[in-house]
Amino acid sequence: AQSVAQPEDQVNVAEGNPLTVKCTYSVSGNPYLFWYVQYPNRGLQFLLKYITGDNLVKGSYGFEAEFNKSQTSFHLKKPSALVSDSALYFCAVRPMNSGYSTLTFGKGTMLLVSP
Amino acid sequence: AAGVIQSPRHLIKEKRETATLKCYPIPRHDTVYWYQQGPGQDPQFLISFYEKMQSDKGSIPDRFSAQQFSDYHSELNMSSLELGDSALYFCASSPRSTGRGNEQFFGPGTRLTVL
Repeated sequence: AQSVAQPEDQVNVAEGNPLTVKCTYSVSGNPYLFWYVQYPNRGLQFLLKYITGDNLVKGSYGFEAEFNKSQTSFHLKKPSALVSDSALYFCAVRPMNSGYSTLTFGKGTMLLVSP
Repeated sequence: AAGVIQSPRHLIKEKRETATLKCYPIPRHDTVYWYQQGPGQDPQFLISFYEKMQSDKGSIPDRFSAQQFSDYHSELNMSSLELGDSALYFCASSPRSTGRGNEQFFGPGTRLTVL
């Protein structure tokens, strides 16, 4: 069975500084990888995904993520954090050979950006 | 752009009562997914439907059932409610035609509180 690990419950960064939210995964075969963001009392909002091809994926709101197959990682990054980026971030994985529904989420990382 | 609509947004029930949650997917999305997110937890996949047929089944209790109707909206029926059913219930939708790498679009969720 697949799994996702987000080793940090919380990441603190000052506005204007670069941010990284870590994600590692475990799947049988090749993965599809996703990042979602959740604001308080809101649904999950899609940020970006890796399907195939270029390991560096660019997404919404200036976020990007790098797929590293050897390290089984898909860390989320942003060059310059904004206070409005403060939210809960979920990494998710679906094996390429799985059903359409098999989306497994990590436990989430709370990002706090201070002014 | 149209988003996934869920109703009601908030629901309070007593133990052993029943509840029905509704989900209206994005137009032309033929696949609907249901997730349960407990307090401080990651979303857990419950069940999904494609073209009105059950597609995949996750950790959905036997007390719960769901269906997708001809207009593609879906309903999650929950009976004999327990305190532990208190959670945020998300519906998501996607178009299957774009393949397994497609992202799911989430609704705002229904917050169910069981007293």
